[in-house]
Amino acid sequence: EVQLVESGGGLVKPGGSLRLSCAASGFTFSSYSMNWVRQAPGQGLEWVSSIGSSSSYIYYADSVKGRFTVSRDDAKNSLFLQMNSLRDEDTAVYYCARGGNPPRHFDYWGRGTLVTVSS
Amino acid sequence: QSALTQPASVSGSPGQSITISCTGASSDVADYYYVSWYQRHPGKAPKLIIFDVRNRPSGVSNRFSGSKSGNTASLTISGLQAEDEADYYCSSYTTSSTLVFGGGTRLTVL
Repeated sequence: EVQLVESGGGLVKPGGSLRLSCAASGFTFSSYSMNWVRQAPGQGLEWVSSIGSSSSYIYYADSVKGRFTVSRDDAKNSLFLQMNSLRDEDTAVYYCARGGNPPRHFDYWGRGTLVTVSS
Repeated sequence: QSALTQPASVSGSPGQSITISCTGASSDVADYYYVSWYQRHPGKAPKLIIFDVRNRPSGVSNRFSGSKSGNTASLTISGLQAEDEADYYCSSYTTSSTLVFGGGTRLTVL
């Protein structure tokens, strides 16, 4: 069974940093792109970042480019999102999701981890 | 990266059919057959129900169907059931190798 479990969310002040993790199991992690999608309170889904298998490509939404860094550790079946210079508008539930190469859709999602940016 | 346009809400009675539209641009929906749809019940993770415009993942009811014409994609749910009440999101691959979502549509089963 495919499982994706996010962790690392919490309360952080504007300008602060946070590192999210996503632990994957039940599939060959290295063969898939992995992705971050977020949902701010009362808002829709927003794609954040994608990283290809073997980190062959990395893409970011304009809203996070230069502040967020996605990475993966295929040996540990883990995905990460380093978030720096956090802003109020980054407050959201962050989901990790599995995709193909390229990531045209996401077939499995985690339950999400809440990031709150507030002073 | 402008969001795709979806109606904020739709409603229907049990047994009826409803259609949710998803309008994009030449850089996304119009240019690719890579539109997907997700169902999200409150407090749960999104679930993929349609990919590549009209394909259903294994286990998804055939009451869900997708189509596309030009820059507008559509999700049709036939034989509405109470369990279909949820938020629905469309998504499209883009010419920038990124993805864009719609704003979401709240489906109410009357």
